[in-house]
Amino acid sequence: DQQVKQNSPSLSVQEGRISILNCDYTNSMFDYFLWYKKYPAEGPTFLISISSIKDKNEDGRFTVFLNKSAKHLSLHIVPSQPGDSAVYFCAASARSNYQLIWGAGTKLIIKP
Amino acid sequence: NAGVTQTPKFRVLKTGQSMTLLCAQDMNHEYMYWYRQDPGMGLRLIHYSVGEGTTAKGEVPDGYNVSRLKKQNFLLGLESAAPSQTSVYFCASSYHRAGNQPQHFGDGTRLSIL
Repeated sequence: DQQVKQNSPSLSVQEGRISILNCDYTNSMFDYFLWYKKYPAEGPTFLISISSIKDKNEDGRFTVFLNKSAKHLSLHIVPSQPGDSAVYFCAASARSNYQLIWGAGTKLIIKP
Repeated sequence: NAGVTQTPKFRVLKTGQSMTLLCAQDMNHEYMYWYRQDPGMGLRLIHYSVGEGTTAKGEVPDGYNVSRLKKQNFLLGLESAAPSQTSVYFCASSYHRAGNQPQHFGDGTRLSIL
């Protein structure tokens, strides 16, 4: 039973365009959501997060949107750059425990 | 500025052998975690620690043991390796608990059990 789902295993976007990565969750107790970026042979690195009390958080080219009623969040990258090519993981946690629950990841490919 | 360092980076074991994976962090973080990542799946928490001398089970603890004798180190042990434990193992640390603070990861240990 996957509590955090990233339904697109891969996504290809033209350089300079917007990349939109999606994540769905099933557990209504999740109150904090994070996006991590991972390059091959490296560990994940934190990108951006959002608390359930907000519906949007921005950091430079990266914006995360949270739709609690739909149990859906998305990561927007504008404009997309070649260095953005990586695997992106969505993760969620509930205040009641320490565990992060991770999606399976989406591989983003930025085409020149 | 090392951050989180994992050793070894690669290892091949035979079924039934034992080994210990070492994780060291230099950020004075209280919380440390061990994850495994398998193809097509997200990271799954094996064990975690909320401070020196403490450990707790995560989502997939069976077949693994951990110890946190020093604040900066978190060891993951496989007592009798099985092919199902072939995976990439990641260690992470954070100042506060997972939800409120991002975790910092090592570069992983790729472990193959034959």
